[in-house]
Amino acid sequence: QQQVKQSPQSLIVQKGGISIINCAYENTAFDYFPWYQQFPGKGPALLIAIRPDVSEKKEGRFTISFNKSAKQFSLHIMDSQPGDSATYFCAASKTGGGNKLTFGTGTQLKVEL
Amino acid sequence: NAGVTQTPKFQVLKTGQSMTLQCAQDMNHEYMSWYRQDPGMGLRLIHYSVGAGITDQGEVPNGYNVSRSTTEDFPLRLLSAAPSQTSVYFCASSLPNSPLHFGNGTRLTVT
Repeated sequence: QQQVKQSPQSLIVQKGGISIINCAYENTAFDYFPWYQQFPGKGPALLIAIRPDVSEKKEGRFTISFNKSAKQFSLHIMDSQPGDSATYFCAASKTGGGNKLTFGTGTQLKVEL
Repeated sequence: NAGVTQTPKFQVLKTGQSMTLQCAQDMNHEYMSWYRQDPGMGLRLIHYSVGAGITDQGEVPNGYNVSRSTTEDFPLRLLSAAPSQTSVYFCASSLPNSPLHFGNGTRLTVT
């Protein structure tokens, strides 16, 4: 039972391009939606997060777009760089739920020169 | 700052053996949790704790035990290892309603 669905599984983008990763959730009780970035041999690290009271959040080159009615959210990486090559996970949780995250299946991003 | 420290980094077990994966954090975080990461499946929650003496099951708890006797430590015990438990295990800690901090994982192979 996949409560958070993530696509695509892998993505190749040219340097300077825009990377877009999409996620959809089922549980309407979720109210916190983080994105994690993971490099090989390392644990995931928080990249950016959003709560459903806003439709967009931007931090530098990274933007989350959130559509509450469609139960979808996406990560946009502007001006993608080779250093952005990593695996990205979307996740969701609900406040007061013990910080239990439900993760998507991950997207392996490769940014080519 | 050490953050979340997991040991060992790598482990190979034979079917039926038991072992404990160690996790320690030095950030005085109340919440700690264990996830396993498998290809194509993301990270799945095994067990979690909201404070010393309090633990609860996550999505995939079968075959694993935990205890939380101190705020700092949250060991994960495999009682009788099975090939299906071959995975990368991540420990995480956090304050309530704050981002998770992950360790660098333990890669476990069960033959």
